[in-house]
Amino acid sequence: EAGVTQFPSHSVIEKGQTVTLRCDPISGHDNLYWYRRVMGKEIKFLLHFVKESKQDESGMPNNRFLAERTGGTYSTLKVQPAELEDSGVYFCASGLQGAGTGELFFGEGSRLTVL
Amino acid sequence: GENVEQHPSTLSVQEGDSAVIKCTYSDSASNYFPWYKQELGKRPQLIIDIRSNVGEKKDQRIAVTLNKTAKHFSLHITETQPEDSAVYFCAASTGGFKTIFGAGTRLFVKA
Repeated sequence: EAGVTQFPSHSVIEKGQTVTLRCDPISGHDNLYWYRRVMGKEIKFLLHFVKESKQDESGMPNNRFLAERTGGTYSTLKVQPAELEDSGVYFCASGLQGAGTGELFFGEGSRLTVL
Repeated sequence: GENVEQHPSTLSVQEGDSAVIKCTYSDSASNYFPWYKQELGKRPQLIIDIRSNVGEKKDQRIAVTLNKTAKHFSLHITETQPEDSAVYFCAASTGGFKTIFGAGTRLFVKA
């Protein structure tokens, strides 16, 4: 069974540019999460989808970030325009149950560097 | 807001020694506490979890303890091996849909 896949694995862009990160969850997992880790800090919650609906987007930093999950399958996270402080590793995770009750399956992350 | 503090940030032990990582959480409603291990260049993976109705759980060389009164929980690794070297993250959840992670502990096991 394929795990959670993320693309790209690494993206280097200049401040002001746009980047779109993609996550393909494990097939059948209704719950999809985006997290971000800045070096040395916590894995910080960004948002949570149940199927195609946003369950909780309280962790999204600002309106430069837009997440979608059309059709309830893969998800994209777009940052536009990117700022220096957006640099970090963006993790996607999926799960059969809500994160509070069961295992999260993580992707390998997308490392974003904003210059 | 919700917060999970994790200590130490770095831990170096000799092979065969024990390692202990400690976390505290702020939301007293938290009732699910997973631990994830991230090896270099790989994805975080669940290694053990504990629920609030249990004080201790063990799985071979790893164990977790939970003190709900103090809002503390800890990961214990005994007889450490070089392959235990990784970043370990504790987390806490209220049983809803959001899991709050600690900042991670980088464990080095010296052969």
